[in-house]
Amino acid sequence: KAGVTQTPRYLIKTRGQQVTLSCSPISGHRSVSWYQQTPGQGLQFLFEYFSETQRNKGNFPGRFSGRQFSNSRSEMNVSTLELGDSALYLCASSLMSSGRASTDTQYFGPGTRLTVL
Amino acid sequence: AQRVTQPEKLLSVFKGAPVELKCNYSYSGSPELFWYVQYSRQRLQLLLRHISRESIKGFTADLNKGETSFHLKKPFAQEEDSAMYYCALSGQGAAGNKLTFGGGTRVLVKP
Repeated sequence: KAGVTQTPRYLIKTRGQQVTLSCSPISGHRSVSWYQQTPGQGLQFLFEYFSETQRNKGNFPGRFSGRQFSNSRSEMNVSTLELGDSALYLCASSLMSSGRASTDTQYFGPGTRLTVL
Repeated sequence: AQRVTQPEKLLSVFKGAPVELKCNYSYSGSPELFWYVQYSRQRLQLLLRHISRESIKGFTADLNKGETSFHLKKPFAQEEDSAMYYCALSGQGAAGNKLTFGGGTRVLVKP
């Protein structure tokens, strides 16, 4: 199976702009999670989508939003970009089989590196 | 609140020497603990999880609830073990997937 793919891989924006990042999960995976990775804060959970619904949310401002489509593909949007939003944004997908008793293994994409100037 | 701490940012060992990466956590419920690894120019991937109680690439980790630790160990380090290692936590059986990561430990295995 093809792995998790993220587009674009690199992005340069200026302060105040908005940006949309895309994630295609592994075929058959129904859950998509997003993480922000920075040298200062490390890996931080943004949100998780399952069946087109946001199921978990991290501690990020409302400028960060996302959505999931019926084919499980997901997008995240950051509005009014700030310099501090420069980061590697990782997407992870998992199977979310029914009746599970433990957390599913998450499979990560290569990330989108966003630079805000 | 859940928190994961990896006290060492960098561990440098010689090939064949033992290596231990420390991970401590704080969580009020029953945690699930994981180790993820990122080799150079590769994506983050799961190395092992405490529920599986298995050894992957010679690495083992034991969950110690009394000391709230999940240290990763390998008796004989190899050069290909050089990578960034992240300890992560999730609430057991929690609805959804939310991983809380530690800051990571870079392991350098010298020949």
